[in-house]
Amino acid sequence: AQKVTQAQTEISVVEKEDVTLDCVYETRDTTYYLFWYKQPPSGELVFLIRRNSFDEQNEISGRYSWNFQKSTSSFNFTITASQVVDSAVYFCALSEAETDSWGKFQFGAGTQVVVTP
Amino acid sequence: DTEVTQTPKHLVMGMTNKKSLKCEQHMGHRAMYWYKQKAKKPPELMFVYSYEKLSINESVPSRFSPECPNSSLLNLHLHALQPEDSALYLCASSQDTVDDTQYFGPGTRLTVL
Repeated sequence: AQKVTQAQTEISVVEKEDVTLDCVYETRDTTYYLFWYKQPPSGELVFLIRRNSFDEQNEISGRYSWNFQKSTSSFNFTITASQVVDSAVYFCALSEAETDSWGKFQFGAGTQVVVTP
Repeated sequence: DTEVTQTPKHLVMGMTNKKSLKCEQHMGHRAMYWYKQKAKKPPELMFVYSYEKLSINESVPSRFSPECPNSSLLNLHLHALQPEDSALYLCASSQDTVDDTQYFGPGTRLTVL
């Protein structure tokens, strides 16, 4: 069963617009971790952030911000004032700490962000 | 700069060839992973080495064979591959499988002719 849903397949914006990527997860574990990764055209997956299930504080890092809401099982990611270099595929991922199985770490399907000048 | 390195960056091989992909991490991590990624899809986990013990995705065919010479090195031996095995192969490492924030290498783009 898909545990991480990224419903947006592709988002296209013009430079300087804000863009929000949605991530909805599903788990029965009380302890879990959520991640965002960026994959530019070069292919390398770049780690952006990890949040644990006990820390619902939103986080801001430069133009990036993350909104974690356990009530809606969402971990959304916003890029403010987008730039062409933000063009990439962004993956949300879930790791279930209490799950001792092969599938404890799962990626969502990814959202392609295209930023045009 | 990534602390997970992979060689080669690109590989073209025939179906009868034997080749190996190499991965090295310099972070003192005790878990390493091989992923396969097809275009427009998320990475798919193939193998995990944790404290040099192997876990296998049972759907991975035996023509892929991992090897972990030590906790810093991870190889993927390829033999008699099929054209559908053409993909981006990503290596990752994490502190262990409990603290499993994974850091990825740049990948090897494999083409099987």
